Amino acid sequence: QVQLVQSGTEVREPGASMTVSCKASGYTFNDYYMHWVRQAPGQGLEWMGWVDPNTGGTDYAQKFQGRVTMTRNTSITTAYMELRSLRSDDTAVYYCARSSPLSGSYYFFDSWGQGTLITVSS
Amino acid sequence: DIQMTQSPSTLSASVGDRVTITCRASQSIGTWLAWYQQRPGKAPKLFIYKASTLQSGVPSRLNGSGFGTEFTLTISSLQPDDFARYYCQQYSTSLPTFGQGTKLEIK
Repeated sequence: QVQLVQSGTEVREPGASMTVSCKASGYTFNDYYMHWVRQAPGQGLEWMGWVDPNTGGTDYAQKFQGRVTMTRNTSITTAYMELRSLRSDDTAVYYCARSSPLSGSYYFFDSWGQGTLITVSS
Repeated sequence: DIQMTQSPSTLSASVGDRVTITCRASQSIGTWLAWYQQRPGKAPKLFIYKASTLQSGVPSRLNGSGFGTEFTLTISSLQPDDFARYYCQQYSTSLPTFGQGTKLEIK
């Protein structure tokens, strides 16, 4: 079965960077875009972008352009999301999520990682 | 960006009740709509896609409908497992957006 296992909780100071990893198993990693979605405490879900594991191509929400980089390592079927210049309002749970093969032109998400809490605080 | 608005924000109901959650899009999205359930401290779980297609394993007491800008998620005969938060998400454009969520709580 599809499994996405993320790295653990982290605390960062304002201005620092953070990287979350997402190890995929149970399917052909290269075949489906990996997305990142975040959820601030008590808030809703916010899409951040995707990485194409096959080509390394990316697309980011405009809000995060210039601050986020999504990459992948196909040899270990792992996707990464780096967010830089962290602010207190980046405190959130960050999820990786796989595009469903039934998505069509755009994306909904049929498998999610367990989430990684990133706290930004001095 | 397409804005998604859910109502109500909170819905109180009892086991056995029938409830409906509404999701409205700021512009037409056809049937490019998904619904997710999220329990506290857990990741969202896909329940419905293409507005009305149930994901494998989702009980048939859940029903999705709608087209264009107005969509509904109906749960008939609520079970204890159904009390959670529900989100709609449009995937009509390259920028997926979610509703703010509806908390379904026990009355």
